[in-house]
Amino acid sequence: NAGVTQTPKFRILKIGQSMTLQCTQDMNHNYMYWYRQDPGMGLKLIYYSVGAGITDKGEVPNGYNVSRSTTEDFPLRLELAAPSQTSVYFCASRKTSRPSNTGELFFGEGSRLTVL
Amino acid sequence: AQSVTQLDSQVPVFEEAPVELRCNYSSSVSVYLFWYVQYPNQGLQLLLKYLSGSTLVKGINGFEAEFNKSQTSFHLRKPSVHISDTAEYFCAVSVRDSNYQLIWGAGTKLIIKP
Repeated sequence: NAGVTQTPKFRILKIGQSMTLQCTQDMNHNYMYWYRQDPGMGLKLIYYSVGAGITDKGEVPNGYNVSRSTTEDFPLRLELAAPSQTSVYFCASRKTSRPSNTGELFFGEGSRLTVL
Repeated sequence: AQSVTQLDSQVPVFEEAPVELRCNYSSSVSVYLFWYVQYPNQGLQLLLKYLSGSTLVKGINGFEAEFNKSQTSFHLRKPSVHISDTAEYFCAVSVRDSNYQLIWGAGTKLIIKP
């Protein structure tokens, strides 16, 4: 059982380039999330999805886009990369939104992005 | 808006000593509280959670936390730490009004001194 898989693990971009961070989960979870983690700032929610075909903005969506064509996949697109997007990005998923015994968040190992 | 404050950005402690990592939240409504742990170069994983019932909750690796409603706190404790506990620890809160989205603290790095 692979859980949540993110690719790539590391990437260096030049200012203005675009790229897609891939996220796949094999747990049949309805809810998926993209966070960015900056030192001393905790996790900030970028976008989330409550099921295939449904996405919504989180706290810091500017400069990013997402899609959810299948239950398993939730890619994050960076358009026109800027130095402010240098961060570690985490994809996460959970079965339900309610914090019950099935509401635990499962995280990928992260994607470290540097924009120069 | 909800907020979570982790009062210490780093906590150095000697191996086999006790440790407490502090977490305070701002909500006045019913909350659900979590501690997640992030080992170096890994994603986060759930350490323990408070949903309801007993205010003392036990998690993995010998950690426990106590929910204190009057002080709006959810401090994490371990009676004796090991070098393998070196990690960053995140407190998070979830409330129904925000569709159970998690609001995260800034994290506390636990540094174990040999």
